[in-house]
Amino acid sequence: GAVVSQHPSRVICKSGTSVKIECRSLDFQATTMFWYRQFPKQSLMLMATSNEGSKATYEQGVEKDKFLINHASLTLSTLTVTSAHPEDSSFYICSAKGQGDYEQYFGPGTRLTVT
Amino acid sequence: GQNIDQPTEMTATEGAIVQINCTYQTSGFNGLFWYQQHAGEAPTFLSYNVLDGLEEKGRFSSFLSRSKGYSYLLLKELQMKDSASYLCAVLDSNYQLIWGAGTKLIIKP
Repeated sequence: GAVVSQHPSRVICKSGTSVKIECRSLDFQATTMFWYRQFPKQSLMLMATSNEGSKATYEQGVEKDKFLINHASLTLSTLTVTSAHPEDSSFYICSAKGQGDYEQYFGPGTRLTVT
Repeated sequence: GQNIDQPTEMTATEGAIVQINCTYQTSGFNGLFWYQQHAGEAPTFLSYNVLDGLEEKGRFSSFLSRSKGYSYLLLKELQMKDSASYLCAVLDSNYQLIWGAGTKLIIKP
């Protein structure tokens, strides 16, 4: 149980375009979802926390107009990287947890390369 | 501020035992997690400690001392597949996970 999927697993896009990453909880209701990014050889950096049906809470330094997060249902959250630039190239990982859970269940990650 | 410290890198021999330490200073404490992360993959859950003491799960054990702000992950009978980064994370008073930078464990034959 507690499976989280992410799609796509890898994406290459051109500079200036937008790309959407989906995160789905497959067998539980995810009341809270988290979006992380991770640069090579560095730890996870929390970008934002989203609760179903409400606006995401962004961490300091993360541009909410650039990284659009939508958590419209208890099983789906999306992260849209708008007007992507090469410095946005990173490994993006989502995680999800249910009501009252402490453990976060991680998706497999999405490798974004902006050319 | 909130801070989690763990060694950057450790090396151990196949078949041996290794202990990865983690110290933390956070605003509140609601538990400590250890995750394993292989290169290019997402973290996978290893353990959760909220009470003092040792939790054993197969070859892996995790220890917590809340008074000392200290935890360790103990890996026994090391296998080559244990080569990975090990992330310590603390759930603070707001139930937000505070992450350590991770310890890269290198296993040598």
